[in-house]
Amino acid sequence: AQTVTQSQPEMSVQEAETVTLSCTYDTSESDYYLFWYKQPPSRQMILVIRQEAYKQQNATENRFSVNFQKAAKSFSLKISDSQLGDAAMYFCAYRRRKAGANNLFFGTGTRLTVIP
Amino acid sequence: DSGVTQTPKHLITATGQRVTLRCSPRSGDLSVYWYQQSLDQGLQFLIQYYNGEERAKGNILERFSAQQFPDLHSELNLSSLELGDSALYFCASSVSEGSPLHFGNGTRLTVT
Repeated sequence: AQTVTQSQPEMSVQEAETVTLSCTYDTSESDYYLFWYKQPPSRQMILVIRQEAYKQQNATENRFSVNFQKAAKSFSLKISDSQLGDAAMYFCAYRRRKAGANNLFFGTGTRLTVIP
Repeated sequence: DSGVTQTPKHLITATGQRVTLRCSPRSGDLSVYWYQQSLDQGLQFLIQYYNGEERAKGNILERFSAQQFPDLHSELNLSSLELGDSALYFCASSVSEGSPLHFGNGTRLTVT
C-alpha cells in the first residue's frame, strides 16, 4: 500500500527567506506522480507543483521547486523568497500512473507560518 | 476557480439524519473523487468514480454511499450521521490518470 509521510507538523520561515518541507513515500510502483498541494485558511486545495517519477529533472514553478530523490523515495518542496501569502498547510501527495484506481494519497500535512 | 462545483457550502444537521452532497466536475473530466478532511487532519480518500462506474474505494463507511450520474455529476450520501462525521468533504475531478486532481471548495458538514 502507498503511504506518504510528512514528518514536520509545523514549520516557520522569515519573510523573504527560504524554507524546505520534507516528504517521503512508500510504493512498489515504478511509475507515478507526486504533488504538493497548498491549503490556505480558506480551506481550498490548490495545486502547487507536480513531478512525474520517470523524469529526472526536478520540477520548478516560479518560487517553488522540488528535490525529487527517487531511490530514497523523497520529495521535498523548497519555497524561495517566502511571502506572507505562502502561509498555509502544505500536503504532499502520491498518485500511481495507471488507468483505473488512481486516487491521491495524502500526507498529514505541514503547517507553514511566515513571519513578517 | 478550479471549475469543480460543490453544493451546499455548509450543512448543519442532527445526529441520525441523512444528507446528500453534490459535486459537478470540471467540463470534460470523467473521474470524480471524494475525500473527507476532519479538523486539522489530512485528506482521507473515500471513493472514486470514472464515467459512471466505481473505480476505487477507500476508507468509506457503510453508512456512506455515492454515485456518478450520466451527466457526470456525483452525489455523496451520508446516513445515520454521527458527531464524528463532522468534517469538510471535498470532491475532485480529473480528465485522465496523469492529470492533476482539481478540487472543489468543499462542503462543511456539522453534525450536532
